[in-house]
Amino acid sequence: GAVVSQHPSWVICKSGTSVKIECRSLDFQATTMFWYRQFPKQSLMLMATSNEGSKATYEQGVEKDKFLINHASLTLSTLTVTSAHPEDSSFYICSARTTGDLGGLFFGSGTQLSVL
Amino acid sequence: RKEVEQDPGPFNVPEGATVAFNCTYSNSASQSFFWYRQDCRKEPKLLMSVYSSGNEDGRFTAQLNRASQYISLLIRDSKLSDSATYLCVVNNTGGFKTIFGAGTRLFVKA
Repeated sequence: GAVVSQHPSWVICKSGTSVKIECRSLDFQATTMFWYRQFPKQSLMLMATSNEGSKATYEQGVEKDKFLINHASLTLSTLTVTSAHPEDSSFYICSARTTGDLGGLFFGSGTQLSVL
Repeated sequence: RKEVEQDPGPFNVPEGATVAFNCTYSNSASQSFFWYRQDCRKEPKLLMSVYSSGNEDGRFTAQLNRASQYISLLIRDSKLSDSATYLCVVNNTGGFKTIFGAGTRLFVKA
């Protein structure tokens, strides 16, 4: 199957700092990527849909100025958590669907963010 | 009402048991359906797609009932390694809106 690489796999930072998470499609072009957040024992919550070359579409309740998304190429999307606070601590996962495929999603391995 | 609903479990079963998970979805225009498996602190991995005709992959059988808007997953001869959370996933709106169920937790014990 298609491979999606996500980096870093975990990060610990101080409150107030910004953290950037990268999501790369390694063997296919992804015009659309998705960013999720998952709290312990809860399901994935879609945060935003990242579209190559255009602005991301954010889900209701997700602050676009807090979670900056950039999808500058067909193989890379980044999520920047700005001015992180302890309540932003969570498991962040990206996913991508191969171009034109209405099938399943391929996920990155996730990033565990801990804000002290 | 949630767009995709699953019984959260947990299901505690002995090795070798058969276990079934159910999932209902609210959007009748939903186009494609999947079961994913997620281990603790790991990314979800596609287990299988779900078709109206029903499909089987080894010990796993998935079924879709469009009339009842219902999806099922049957696991036969459960293994310890089957312990995980199983996510029901539905694609809507031309495939670009993916809805995840909250997941059903399965524990298989020796």
